[in-house]
Amino acid sequence: QVTLKESGPVLVKPTETLTLTCTVSGFSLSNARMGVSWIRQPPGKALEWLAHIFSNDEKSYSTSLKSRLTISKDTSKSQVVLTMTNMDPVDTATYYCARIRGGYVDYYYYYGMDVWGQGTTVTVSS
Amino acid sequence: SYELTQPPSVSVSPGQTARITCSGDALPKQYAYWYQQKPGQAPVLVIYKDSERPSGIPERFSGSSSGTTVTLTISGVQAEDEADYYCQSADSSGTYRVVFGGGTKLTVL
Repeated sequence: QVTLKESGPVLVKPTETLTLTCTVSGFSLSNARMGVSWIRQPPGKALEWLAHIFSNDEKSYSTSLKSRLTISKDTSKSQVVLTMTNMDPVDTATYYCARIRGGYVDYYYYYGMDVWGQGTTVTVSS
Repeated sequence: SYELTQPPSVSVSPGQTARITCSGDALPKQYAYWYQQKPGQAPVLVIYKDSERPSGIPERFSGSSSGTTVTLTISGVQAEDEADYYCQSADSSGTYRVVFGGGTKLTVL
């Protein structure tokens, strides 16, 4: 059974750096064309993709947040870490990690998340 | 930046068919995915690669694609289908950044 679980602080202060960890089980971070995405959702708002990392260490970041994000993985620990610098109250959200599969087949590219973690709520406040 | 456009809301009566569209310029080259999200819960994948249904998802959920538009169809809508639905794809610029639509609130009258 594939599971993902987010962990990290519940509360961070403005200007601090947020570090979130996604621990996966049921699959390996070295599996070809598999990886982990981070997605967030402010209260009452839509999903917003933040970043992903694949088994070959291919990384991609949201254009609007790229300067603040860093994603990395530790395959031996089955963990993916996302850091977001200079936190602001507008970054208050539920943060999800999800398994992503990506590649090229039948003349189409595919990048989608098939299993999601339960999410962790982060509040930014002084 | 690349965008996916969904209607904010769709309303149907129980037993009717709900159709939720999602438009984006890269959809002719990128597969689309659909997620269902109920209040207080994580999103759940209901359609992948435009029209494939994951195991455990009821057959009343189906997906289709035509040009720059993909459609999620829910046949014989049930009260439990009331939720937010998000389409998702990726841009085709070479960076494969993931993009979500703004979400559609499905209301079962």
